[in-house]
Amino acid sequence: QVQLVESGGGVVQPGRSLRLSCAASGFTFNNYGMHWVRQAPAKGLEWVAVVSYDGITKYYADSVKGRFTISRDNSKDTLYLQMNSLRAEDTAVYYCVRCTGIICSSSWFDPWGQGTLVTVSS
Amino acid sequence: EIVLTQSPATLSLSPGERATLSCRASQSVTSYLAWYQQRPGQAPRLLIYDASNRATGIPARFSGSGSGTDFTLTISSLEPEDFAVYYCQQRSNSYTFGQGTKLEIK
Repeated sequence: QVQLVESGGGVVQPGRSLRLSCAASGFTFNNYGMHWVRQAPAKGLEWVAVVSYDGITKYYADSVKGRFTISRDNSKDTLYLQMNSLRAEDTAVYYCVRCTGIICSSSWFDPWGQGTLVTVSS
Repeated sequence: EIVLTQSPATLSLSPGERATLSCRASQSVTSYLAWYQQRPGQAPRLLIYDASNRATGIPARFSGSGSGTDFTLTISSLEPEDFAVYYCQQRSNSYTFGQGTKLEIK
């Protein structure tokens, strides 16, 4: 079945960097766009970034633009999120999410990984 | 940015009762709206897409309606596993989520 397994979370100091990974299995990875969505502790969901199936087209939330970079390696069935200049407000569980279709702008968020916790604190 | 406002923030009901959750958009999203369920300690899962279509494997007691700016998620008869947080989400202009409605046992 479809599986998305995030890794790379942890505790990091403000201003430092962290890279998250998401290993995909159970489907043809290069047929789907992918998102990152985050959820601060006891808060709601916030969309972070999206990348097209071929890795060419990328969009970001204003809150992370210029600091975060989404990418993918289709040869490894893996999605990444490079997070630089981290702030306390970036503390959240980060979910890797597949688009329900090849074009994310015309599809939905499903399924979701279990998430990885990033804590930004000195 | 399109803002989605969900109401109520918390809904207290008993198993077997009918639940009605609301989502209002700050501008029209036509039918580009979905609903997600998040149980405690779990990742969200897609329930309803395109305002009224049930996702694969979702029970028939879940239904969605609405278009434009006003949407409703209805659970016809609550089961114990339905007590969770529900989020609406739009994809008409970028992607935004509502703040969530917590459905709790009365």
